[in-house]
Amino acid sequence: QQQVKQSPQSLIVQKGGISIINCAYENTAFDYFPWYQQFPGKGPALLIAIRPDVSEKKEGRFTISFNKSAKQFSLHIMDSQPGDSATYFCASSNFGNEKLTFGTGTRLTIIP
Amino acid sequence: KAGVTQTPRYLIKTRGQQVTLSCSPISGHRSVSWYQQTPGQGLQFLFEYFSETQRNKGNFPGRFSGRQFSNSRSEMNVSTLELGDSALYLCASSRGGGEKLFFGSGTQLSVL
Repeated sequence: QQQVKQSPQSLIVQKGGISIINCAYENTAFDYFPWYQQFPGKGPALLIAIRPDVSEKKEGRFTISFNKSAKQFSLHIMDSQPGDSATYFCASSNFGNEKLTFGTGTRLTIIP
Repeated sequence: KAGVTQTPRYLIKTRGQQVTLSCSPISGHRSVSWYQQTPGQGLQFLFEYFSETQRNKGNFPGRFSGRQFSNSRSEMNVSTLELGDSALYLCASSRGGGEKLFFGSGTQLSVL
């Protein structure tokens, strides 16, 4: 089964710092790479997504960096805030397909 | 605009029973996907329905089934429950193009 490997499993960052979460995928047919944010008791919510035709996408404090040759992509959260404390999941799919393959998740804690 | 609504929020069943979970998608969304979330396996795709037809299926046994009605509402059924079926079952809706899946808060199923 094609996997998406996500690291680290947990991450503690000081307020104002940069949070970085990494993912690696196996299936070269994947061409859609979203990141989801999940708070306790809630379902995942789409944060930001990228297609492989660009190497970087930025939305506010959130940036995805994409390396097609290495089959890796990462989420950077700039100026991390306590409200960013949540579990983050990367995912991959064939664009246009609702079948997402998720990473195992990263529990992010932002400390004051 | 109302989000994705899943009912019930919590369910407790015993082994061997069957269970039906319900999902009401966002108005105008024709695709409904189901995911299972567990601490050990993470988020795993069950199946997706679009305009009352199953369009995609994950690697789950036949005990897991679903259907979609003409108003796009969907139900998921699990027969002959096993202890390992204890999980958070998430429903996600979209317009059907694979982007921007909107998740509900899930149904927490406990099998005793």
